[in-house]
Amino acid sequence: DQQVKQNSPSLSVQEGRISILNCDYTNSMFDYFLWYKKYPAEGPTFLISISSIKDKNEDGRFTVFLNKSAKHLSLHIVPSQPGDSAVYFCAASGNQEKLVFGQGTRLTINP
Amino acid sequence: GAVVSQHPSWVICKSGTSVKIECRSLDFQATTMFWYRQFPKQSLMLMATSNEGSKATYEQGVEKDKFLINHASLTLSTLTVTSAHPEDSSFYICSALGDTAYEQYFGPGTRLTVT
Repeated sequence: DQQVKQNSPSLSVQEGRISILNCDYTNSMFDYFLWYKKYPAEGPTFLISISSIKDKNEDGRFTVFLNKSAKHLSLHIVPSQPGDSAVYFCAASGNQEKLVFGQGTRLTINP
Repeated sequence: GAVVSQHPSWVICKSGTSVKIECRSLDFQATTMFWYRQFPKQSLMLMATSNEGSKATYEQGVEKDKFLINHASLTLSTLTVTSAHPEDSSFYICSALGDTAYEQYFGPGTRLTVT
């Protein structure tokens, strides 16, 4: 039972354009959502998060949008840079319990 | 701040042997650490939650006698894969819990290959 789903295994974007990574979840008890970035052979690093009481959180080039009714969140990166090429995982948590991760989306930024 | 290290970064062992992986929080104390496993092109799967001074809590389907977890100090948790088999080959990642329930700081991971 995959409670957090990232349906796009890969995404390719031109440098300077916007990258949009999507994530869907099924558990309505989730109240906190996070995005992590992961390079090969490294552990994930925290990128940005959002509480279920908000619908948008912005940090520099990164913005996360949350649509609770659709159980959907997205990460926008603009402008995209070559260093953004990595695997991005979304994760969700309910009632401060363990994180549940999606399968990840490999983002490639083309020069 | 909030650096987590793992050792070794990669290990190759023969089937039937045991392997110990260390996870250390370098600049903070972590009463709770997590152990994850990641198969190629798949998500991180939580194996167990490790609490300092108490027994680990294992996720459903994870054999506690095979994956021994010890959290003997506030900066060190160890995962021992006992009697390893080729199907145990995977990428093992630990994380340490920060000040809030949502802050997890991840180690760089350990690639285990069982031949």
